[in-house]
Amino acid sequence: DGGITQSPKYLFRKEGQNVTLSCEQNLNHDAMYWYRQDPGQGLRLIYYSQIVNDFQKGDIAEGYSVSREKKESFPLTVTSAQKNPTAFYLCASSLDRGSIYEQYFGPGTRLTVT
Amino acid sequence: GQQVMQIPQYQHVQEGEDFTTYCNSSTTLSNIQWYKQRPGGHPVFLIQLVKSGEVKKQKRLTFQFGEAKKNSSLHITATQTTDVGTYFCAGPAEYGNKLVFGAGTILRVKS
Repeated sequence: DGGITQSPKYLFRKEGQNVTLSCEQNLNHDAMYWYRQDPGQGLRLIYYSQIVNDFQKGDIAEGYSVSREKKESFPLTVTSAQKNPTAFYLCASSLDRGSIYEQYFGPGTRLTVT
Repeated sequence: GQQVMQIPQYQHVQEGEDFTTYCNSSTTLSNIQWYKQRPGGHPVFLIQLVKSGEVKKQKRLTFQFGEAKKNSSLHITATQTTDVGTYFCAGPAEYGNKLVFGAGTILRVKS
């Protein structure tokens, strides 16, 4: 059964702690993306990766970091430097050249930092 | 910078009424994609339009891509409660292999 998995669904952290969100896909897609969504808001791109061992900053990369060591995995770390980390985080993948092909989204992780 | 704008931001309709959301880009797009996000869920791809003036239908949903390839619309005929959610349009960014999403239109349907 192909798809994108994100874990956990809900995550609670204390302010000042780094936290890593998991994103795994078995669709054999080259491109992967991380978005942030705030209540009633659209999708804002944090980071994206077109190929293993390469990634680019999106529109709101400050306070976040990523790695792409395997094609299937694209974890996102929310660092303590991110001023307002509480949000809904969505991971997506696409076959290649994400601007042309449709993006498949994971179920998301709701992060709450207090 | 490049912008993709959607209107209205929010619409509340009676079940059975029609609904339309509009998407306008500040730049010409090679294609436009539409996604639907149910409340509490994640965006799901609906359709991609590529040709100038293209019209595509999916049951009660009609998608149009403008002649100038800078605007698009999604029209739902006779809304049902299952249509509830946020509809996003997205177009390719000018730079980088990524999409630029509109802010979305939230649709609520009264039964």
